[in-house]
Amino acid sequence: EAQVTQNPRYLITVTGKKLTVTCSQNMNHEYMSWYRQDPGLGLRQIYYSMNVEVTDKGDVPEGYKVSRKEKRNFPLILESPSPNQTSLYFCASSSESQGRRNSPLHFGNGTRLTVT
Amino acid sequence: GDSVTQMEGPVTLSEEAFLTINCTYTATGYPSLFWYVQYPGEGLQLLLKATKADDKGSNKGFEATYRKETTSFHLEKGSVQVSDSAVYFCALSDNDKIIFGKGTRLHILP
Repeated sequence: EAQVTQNPRYLITVTGKKLTVTCSQNMNHEYMSWYRQDPGLGLRQIYYSMNVEVTDKGDVPEGYKVSRKEKRNFPLILESPSPNQTSLYFCASSSESQGRRNSPLHFGNGTRLTVT
Repeated sequence: GDSVTQMEGPVTLSEEAFLTINCTYTATGYPSLFWYVQYPGEGLQLLLKATKADDKGSNKGFEATYRKETTSFHLEKGSVQVSDSAVYFCALSDNDKIIFGKGTRLHILP
């Protein structure tokens, strides 16, 4: 089954403790992206990747890191989490890497992160 | 810059009512337009799309027409069901950027 898999689904951590949220897709998609979803703010893009070893900042990249060493994986790293990073996070992928005008995004089921 | 504006929710309707969720956009180019739906506890999934002016996207009884003259892509359904309760996002894709509206929560009462 074609899917985007995120882990974990739920994560509670403390301020400053490094964490990684994993994302993997089995559709051979070139484009991958991370979003955070907050009430009243909708979806905001954190980072995206057009292909292996190519990553770019989205609208809210501060406090996050990503890497794209393999096509299928795109982990999100919080080196020193803070309470304002408490949110619902989504990974997504798409088959077009340039001018993604027509191909839809495929989303994972989300990771709910709480930083205390 | 490009933007998407959709009506604020929540929208509450009775089962079998007619649904319209408004979406308007601003874009410098010629974007593709999408509606995504998010059911409780799940990620977003594509509901329908349109890639050029006057195209109509449709799926699961939902429809939306790409109106370039009014820069709109309103979502409609003739008779909603309880199972349609979800959050709906309008989005555009243009110049390597995907922009989402803030989402509209829909409640359908039996």
